Amino acid sequence: QKEVEQNSGPLSVPEGAIASLNCTYSDRGSQSFFWYRQYSGKSPELIMFIYSNGDKEDGRFTAQLNKASQYVSLLIRDSQPSDSATYLCAVAGTALIFGKGTTLSVSS
Amino acid sequence: DAGVIQSPRHEVTEMGQEVTLRCKPISGHNSLFWYRQTMMRGLELLIYFNNNVPIDDSGMPEDRFSAKMPNASFSTLKIQPSEPRDSAVYFCASSLPGGGDTQYFGPGTRLTVL
Repeated sequence: QKEVEQNSGPLSVPEGAIASLNCTYSDRGSQSFFWYRQYSGKSPELIMFIYSNGDKEDGRFTAQLNKASQYVSLLIRDSQPSDSATYLCAVAGTALIFGKGTTLSVSS
Repeated sequence: DAGVIQSPRHEVTEMGQEVTLRCKPISGHNSLFWYRQTMMRGLELLIYFNNNVPIDDSGMPEDRFSAKMPNASFSTLKIQPSEPRDSAVYFCASSLPGGGDTQYFGPGTRLTVL
């Protein structure tokens, strides 16, 4: 059974701080990794994807992948109250396998 | 461009009734996915189609659930008979070829079974 694990949170950070969200996965053969953001009552929306070991930056977001340790992380710099949401980590197999998500709360 | 379209957005029904959820994927996407989301179990894949053909239905909870994709622009998820434990948000998503590629989600259908 392929699994994706996330700390459910809530993770609370002050406005302007760096939020760090982590995810581990069980299938060592996984190649593609995705971060989705889901606001309360809304559908998941893609933030970033990463395929290679190392860091990938997109604006205030940085995805980090370490295949040897089987973890993926998402860093959000200069966190804003509008970043408050649940962040879902997903790992691609024949279809995406999602973690249960980490709830982030950014206080102003 | 229109995204994934789902209907109805909300459905309230009584136990034992048949429920049909509908989805129109993004034009040009040939993979379609049905998910169910609850607080307890998170986002679970129920079934997915590639080129209108069901590829993996191992997530379908039981025989009460069935899904069809008669053409590239339409899919249904049916629950018959419905039970209170089926209450959840049901999402449809679509993607370009390849089951693991970037998926785009519809707005979801919130189902309540009384």
